[in-house]
Amino acid sequence: NAGVTQTPKFQVLKTGQSMTLQCAQDMNHEYMSWYRQDPGMGLRLIHYSVGAGITDQGEVPNGYNVSRSTTEDFPLRLLSAAPSQTSVYFCASSRVGQSPYGYTFGSGTRLTVV
Amino acid sequence: AQSVTQPDIHITVSEGASLELRCNYSYGATPYLFWYVQSPGQGLQLLLKYFSGDTLVQGIKGFEAEFKRSQSSFNLRKPSVHWSDAAEYFCAVGAHKGSELIFGQGTELSVKP
Repeated sequence: NAGVTQTPKFQVLKTGQSMTLQCAQDMNHEYMSWYRQDPGMGLRLIHYSVGAGITDQGEVPNGYNVSRSTTEDFPLRLLSAAPSQTSVYFCASSRVGQSPYGYTFGSGTRLTVV
Repeated sequence: AQSVTQPDIHITVSEGASLELRCNYSYGATPYLFWYVQSPGQGLQLLLKYFSGDTLVQGIKGFEAEFKRSQSSFNLRKPSVHWSDAAEYFCAVGAHKGSELIFGQGTELSVKP
C-alpha cells in the first residue's frame, strides 16, 4: 500500500543510548519531514528535506541528526537519548510544487527514554 | 513569525449537535491552511485545505471550514457530530510549496452520547 511507513512503532531507550527511527515513502515525494508531538504543544518540526542530499533544521533540531541519501528514505537519528526526547515522532511527506498538497503522515513512533 | 493558535484545548459536544473548532493564524504571506484529524494512536489525516478562491471549503467526513482574512481565522465546522468524530484536531499553515507546516496546539473533541 502506498504511504509513509515508520518503524518501530514503540521503543524504550535508556538515557545515553542512540537509535535510528526509520521512515520510508513510496509515493516519490520530494519533501519529507520529522515532527515530534508533545501534549499541549501540537507538532513541532525537527528536520526536513526537499530532496535527496538536502536537509535543513526545523524548530527543535537539537539532539537529532538526519540524512537523505535516497528519495524514499529519511531516517532520524538520536545521538544520545535524553528523557526530554520522550515523545511521539511522526514522519511526513509531500510533493513540492506550486501549490501545497498537504502531507501524508506515518502512523508514528512512540519513544520513551528512561 | 508564522504561528497558529487553537484557543480551545478540549471541547465536549453532544452527538447530533453542531461543532465549531477555532483556528487563528499569523502569517506574512498568502496563507495556505489545513485541518488534520488524529484518532487515538493513529497518524494525522487531512480533512481539508484552503489555497485560494472560495473561502468556504468542503472536506471529508462532512466537515467544512471558512477562511476569513479579516479575522485571520480558519474555523472548522460540522453541522451534526457523530460519536466517531471524537479525536484530536489540528489546524496548520504552510508555505506555498508545501514545505514546513506549522501546527496549532490541537483541540481534543469529546462526544457525549
